[in-house]
Amino acid sequence: NAGVTQTPKFQVLKTGQSMTLQCAQDMNHEYMSWYRQDPGMGLRLIHYSVGAGITDQGEVPNGYNVSRSTTEDFPLRLLSAAPSQTSVYFCASSYSPYDLDGYTFGSGTRLTVV
Amino acid sequence: GQQVMQIPQYQHVQEGEDFTTYCNSSTTLSNIQWYKQRPGGHPVFLIQLVKSGEVKKQKRLTFQFGEAKKNSSLHITATQTTDVGTYFCAGRSTNAGKSTFGDGTTLTVKP
Repeated sequence: NAGVTQTPKFQVLKTGQSMTLQCAQDMNHEYMSWYRQDPGMGLRLIHYSVGAGITDQGEVPNGYNVSRSTTEDFPLRLLSAAPSQTSVYFCASSYSPYDLDGYTFGSGTRLTVV
Repeated sequence: GQQVMQIPQYQHVQEGEDFTTYCNSSTTLSNIQWYKQRPGGHPVFLIQLVKSGEVKKQKRLTFQFGEAKKNSSLHITATQTTDVGTYFCAGRSTNAGKSTFGDGTTLTVKP
């Protein structure tokens, strides 16, 4: 049981490049979400999904796209990377947003945009 | 929108001292969760509180949910070096589909 797997762990991008951060879970969780964490600013929600085919925006969605074609996978796409997107990105999942067991987080992707 | 404020932002303690972090919401919460993130790591779920006035304990950690369900606290008794990290609360308002995280309290423990 791997839990939530994020790839890559580290990435350096040039301004204007695009890329996809991968997130996969093997716990049959319906709810998945993406957060970014900047120093001193906690966790800010980018996008989330309550099930396959359903996605919605969080607090800071600009510059990011998501899709949820399967229950297991929830990739995050950076359309045209900017230095302001330098951050640590976490994917999290749970059975539902109301899950008493809380969210399970992946180990994160540390992204630097130069 | 919903806001969750957490104080203090940083806390430095001597090993053996107690530690408390507070979480306050601008709206009434249906539940509140607490997470711990070790330096360089990812958040790990600790506990969820649902009932007004609820108190839960995990060894040296005591979690409380306020009577009005708008605030919560995490208290650590006799801190150890293994307690270092950032503690986050995450509150979900009634009818909200997702939780909002506070900015966290970073605890350092001096041996």
